[in-house]
Amino acid sequence: DIVMTQTPLSSPVTLGQPASISCRSSQSLVHSDGNTYLSWLQQRPGQPPRLLIYKISNRFSGVPDRFSGSGAGTDFTLKISRVEAEDVGVYYCMQATQSWTFGQGTKVEIK
Amino acid sequence: EVQVVESGGALVQPGGSLRLSCAASGFTFSTYAMHWVRQAPGKGLEYVSGISRNGDGTSYANSVKGRFTISRDNSKNTLYLQMGSLRTEDMAVYYCAREGYGDGTLDYWGQGTLVTVSS
Repeated sequence: DIVMTQTPLSSPVTLGQPASISCRSSQSLVHSDGNTYLSWLQQRPGQPPRLLIYKISNRFSGVPDRFSGSGAGTDFTLKISRVEAEDVGVYYCMQATQSWTFGQGTKVEIK
Repeated sequence: EVQVVESGGALVQPGGSLRLSCAASGFTFSTYAMHWVRQAPGKGLEYVSGISRNGDGTSYANSVKGRFTISRDNSKNTLYLQMGSLRTEDMAVYYCAREGYGDGTLDYWGQGTLVTVSS
């Protein structure tokens, strides 16, 4: 199974400042069809997960442009350009290249 | 509006069985693969099972293989998860999620249904 490792596990940030979360996979996420099926999900407190980013860098419908994704192969990053209060929650990376697995989650909180 | 709504969660004793349902609306259900993901209290997300558009392909996490069965009824726009030989470690909120067509992601999630396994 592909193991997804996120860092940090907790990220206290100041409102208006940037935040960055890393996700590393135990093997390349490049699928035989040429796509890389790496997504980012947000889970606000008491809410179900919500899709933010798919295929590394594609923002899902309705997702603010302060969220961006990048990376390739085994190393990926989610960036929030200016953190807002509504961004508090846990963020998960997820791969679908070989079955489906999730990172452990990174908790974003306001300092 | 795309919606998936889970139901069927309950308190069940270890060794017992339960069937979860997920009612879909706002999209053509038969053209999307569907999945179940769970989240134990205070823990992260764990993939449980998935099924292809017409139901002829299924996948399971090793932790539930042989105990859980996923199925769908496209005439009723409903996804199911039959859970058997339940263990305390199966206690979790179970989410139904739609697989985005061709995008290798889970694009719409339900609110979840809670399964409690306890004597």
